[in-house]
Amino acid sequence: EDQVTQSPEALRLQEGESSSLNCSYTVSGLRGLFWYRQDPGKGPEFLFTLYSAGEEKEKERLKATLTKKESFLHITAPKPEDSATYLCAVNRGSNYKLTFGKGTLLTVNP
Amino acid sequence: EAQVTQNPRYLITVTGKKLTVTCSQNMNHEYMSWYRQDPGLGLRQIYYSMNVEVTDKGDVPEGYKVSRKEKRNFPLILESPSPNQTSLYFCASSLRSNSYEQYFGPGTRLTVT
Repeated sequence: EDQVTQSPEALRLQEGESSSLNCSYTVSGLRGLFWYRQDPGKGPEFLFTLYSAGEEKEKERLKATLTKKESFLHITAPKPEDSATYLCAVNRGSNYKLTFGKGTLLTVNP
Repeated sequence: EAQVTQNPRYLITVTGKKLTVTCSQNMNHEYMSWYRQDPGLGLRQIYYSMNVEVTDKGDVPEGYKVSRKEKRNFPLILESPSPNQTSLYFCASSLRSNSYEQYFGPGTRLTVT
């Protein structure tokens, strides 16, 4: 069965303290891996799409990378406004279902 | 403004009383989808639609129905709601089936008593 596992479940950082979130997956025929940000009480907001191993994408303090079995979301010098739940999702090749991980709740303290 | 709208945003209902949650997008997107989000379980896909009149089951379709008669609308129907369908529901859309950036609606919090 296809699975998406995110770790850690929760992460607390001090402002400026860089770290990484992990998303490991076991799917066949991966068509894409996606990162979303979700603020409390709101719908997820798209961050990145990665399609093949070795691909990297950056946006402000965030950088997403992809290997054949996992993806990392690196957060450099985070600020309190980066506090949110970060969701990883994978799209399989045989259909257009999207499977989400349970997310990592990131808290950045000032 | 490009957006996905859902109505109602909050709904409290009783077991067995049919209800519909509407979803509409103004971006001419082909792909639309419904998710439910529950604590500890994350976002799970209920149904999706790759275009008008084309729908398919996601991972948790039991107890739900959908229809896609128009490109912009994708209503979620609960014909006989039960308490285990109490959840936060999100509708999402993307440009094409192979264009995966999804835009999510604001969510509908449903309570079934």
